[in-house]
Amino acid sequence: DTAVSQTPKYLVTQMGNDKSIKCEQNLGHDTMYWYKQDSKKFLKIMFSYNNKELIINETVPNRFSPKSPDKAHLNLHINSLELGDSAVYFCASSRSDRASYEQYFGPGTRLTVT
Amino acid sequence: TQLLEQSPQFLSIQEGENLTVYCNSSSVFSSLQWYRQEPGEGPVLLVTVVTGGEVKKLKRLTFQFGDARKDSSLHITAAQPGDTGLYLCAGVWGAQKLVFGQGTRLTINP
Repeated sequence: DTAVSQTPKYLVTQMGNDKSIKCEQNLGHDTMYWYKQDSKKFLKIMFSYNNKELIINETVPNRFSPKSPDKAHLNLHINSLELGDSAVYFCASSRSDRASYEQYFGPGTRLTVT
Repeated sequence: TQLLEQSPQFLSIQEGENLTVYCNSSSVFSSLQWYRQEPGEGPVLLVTVVTGGEVKKLKRLTFQFGDARKDSSLHITAAQPGDTGLYLCAGVWGAQKLVFGQGTRLTINP
C-alpha cells in the first residue's frame, strides 16, 4: 500500500497559469509538509500542517497556498506560475509525538513551467 | 546560510571501495537523520541518531553522531552499485522542522 501519494507525478504548464498538487497519506500521521527540491537537489521546507493547522510557513511567495482539508490530506495551490517555480515538489508526513520528526516522503511532483 | 554542510558533494568510486560522507554544522541538533534518494523518487529514511557519540549500523552502512551533536558521518564498507544515490542528512531545527544538507551524490561504478 502506498504510504504517501502525490498527484500528478508530472506537471507541465505555461507561465501565468494556476495549478494544484494533491497529497494524501495513509500512515495515520498528524503532521504533513511541502518541500521544494531545486535543480541542485537542495531540499527546502515550504509549509507544515499539524492536525489541519498551519505551523510552519517559510519565506514562500504568497502565490503558493497550502490547504489541509483533514489530517490525511495536504494540497498545494500555485497561482500565476513563474519560470522559477520549476522544481520537484515533495509532500511528506510525520508524527508530532516523535521528537525526531522522521519524514515519510511522497514520490514527488515534477513541475515544469514554460 | 547553510545550517548543515555535507561533503563531498559528489563522489564516484569503484565497487568494493570504502567511503565516508560527512555532515557538519556549527549548531547543535537534538537529533540527526540520514536519507537516501534515488532518481525520480522521494527521500527514504535510513537512520536517526539521537545521542552524542551514538553509532548505528545498517548492514554495510555505519552512522555516527558527533559527541557534541553538531556533526555526523556515514561510512559505507565495500560499496556496491546498489548504494548509488543522493544521500541527505537532516537535523531537527526549531519546532517540528527539519533542515537538510545539500546532499552527496554517490556513484558506485561496477
